[in-house]
Amino acid sequence: DTGVSQDPRHKITKRGQNVTFRCDPISEHNRLYWYRQTLGQGPEFLTYFQNEAQLEKSRLLSDRFSAERPKGSFSTLEIQRTEQGDSAMYLCASVAGGPKNEQFFGPGTRLTVL
Amino acid sequence: AQTVTQSQPEMSVQEAETVTLSCTYDTSESDYYLFWYKQPPSRQMILVIRQEAYKQQNATENRFSVNFQKAAKSFSLKISDSQLGDAAMYFCAYRDSNYQLIWGAGTKLIIKP
Repeated sequence: DTGVSQDPRHKITKRGQNVTFRCDPISEHNRLYWYRQTLGQGPEFLTYFQNEAQLEKSRLLSDRFSAERPKGSFSTLEIQRTEQGDSAMYLCASVAGGPKNEQFFGPGTRLTVL
Repeated sequence: AQTVTQSQPEMSVQEAETVTLSCTYDTSESDYYLFWYKQPPSRQMILVIRQEAYKQQNATENRFSVNFQKAAKSFSLKISDSQLGDAAMYFCAYRDSNYQLIWGAGTKLIIKP
């Protein structure tokens, strides 16, 4: 256990529905990252926060995706009007400040869109 | 843009033997970090080993060591005395100046008992 938790671990939804995932990072970590991982591939960067500020979003992140990190603690990732192509593992990682520090990953939320 | 390539989709090794996983990357930066992460089946991604580009000495962590060739942009992982618990997907990752990780496609490591 890395100390980063994600909820839910699995989500099955129908196409067109909205879903929201939560990530609880290690408490003293100020940076938080979201990634998407499809089967047989490495993670793809989606977005990251430093404290409560969302500093960068990937071109992969369509307008249907939104992320928040209120008060610089937990973060949520919402996908609106889900599509079958959104089916993937969504990973969250947190890191303390400084260039040497590693990213600690949560267990991920596996999303299946029917 | 930086890219990371892992050319071995799958590798297998006999228990207690040594295996080397390959990784190459492309970048124009001179200062960066490289990582190997391990992702066991249905378990969390964990860091195996880290290399700072400005350090010439290869990083080692117990049975895990790297062969870092900066000029060749190569970063291979050697696992000595392989154990059944080493079975996992192994990902090579490059961290850019914005602290973002760019990942390879992964290598599935199978340990034969």
